[in-house]
Amino acid sequence: GQQVMQIPQYQHVQEGEDFTTYCNSSTTLSNIQWYKQRPGGHPVFLIQLVKSGEVKKQKRLTFQFGEAKKNSSLHITATQTTDVGTYFCADAGGTSYGKLTFGQGTILTVHP
Amino acid sequence: NAGVTQTPKFQVLKTGQSMTLQCAQDMNHEYMSWYRQDPGMGLRLIHYSVGAGITDQGEVPNGYNVSRSTTEDFPLRLLSAAPSQTSVYFCASRELFGTDPNGYTFGSGTRLTVV
Repeated sequence: GQQVMQIPQYQHVQEGEDFTTYCNSSTTLSNIQWYKQRPGGHPVFLIQLVKSGEVKKQKRLTFQFGEAKKNSSLHITATQTTDVGTYFCADAGGTSYGKLTFGQGTILTVHP
Repeated sequence: NAGVTQTPKFQVLKTGQSMTLQCAQDMNHEYMSWYRQDPGMGLRLIHYSVGAGITDQGEVPNGYNVSRSTTEDFPLRLLSAAPSQTSVYFCASRELFGTDPNGYTFGSGTRLTVV
């Protein structure tokens, strides 16, 4: 099945620094979804990207979908301690069933 | 609106025991699924359902059974627990035919230890 690789596995930043996580696939992705999981919590849906080259923003978070729909990125500007957690990308599949195939996630720690 | 409710939150089993993890949603979502989360491996799909009476296998179905007798409930059964099934289990649901790009709603998880 579709494999989604996510890098880096870990990222440690000082509060105020920027952060980016990348999601890559060897084949074309249908739709990409991004989730955040706080330590000890459950994944929470952030956004879905559908179109080639799509860029969406949520406050300090910027999400991009590559032109070839084989990669995606999440960029956080000026991190805060509340950004701590694991960020997952997931291929939402090409059928109406919408099965999610998750990347391994990037664990973000923010030092105050 | 409770969303997705999972019970129990924690469970310790002995090898060979069976148990059922409960999942219920009150959003009238057609699609429900079970994932397990292990360190460094992300979330892996165990079983899923697109409606009452319809279930199918995901990536790691061995050792687990599911049924979907109602839209609201999607229990996961461990037939004979093994230490390899020690994990955090998440139930997730979504609306299948909505027009908005909606994501999955996850339950708070069940932390299972098999000794």
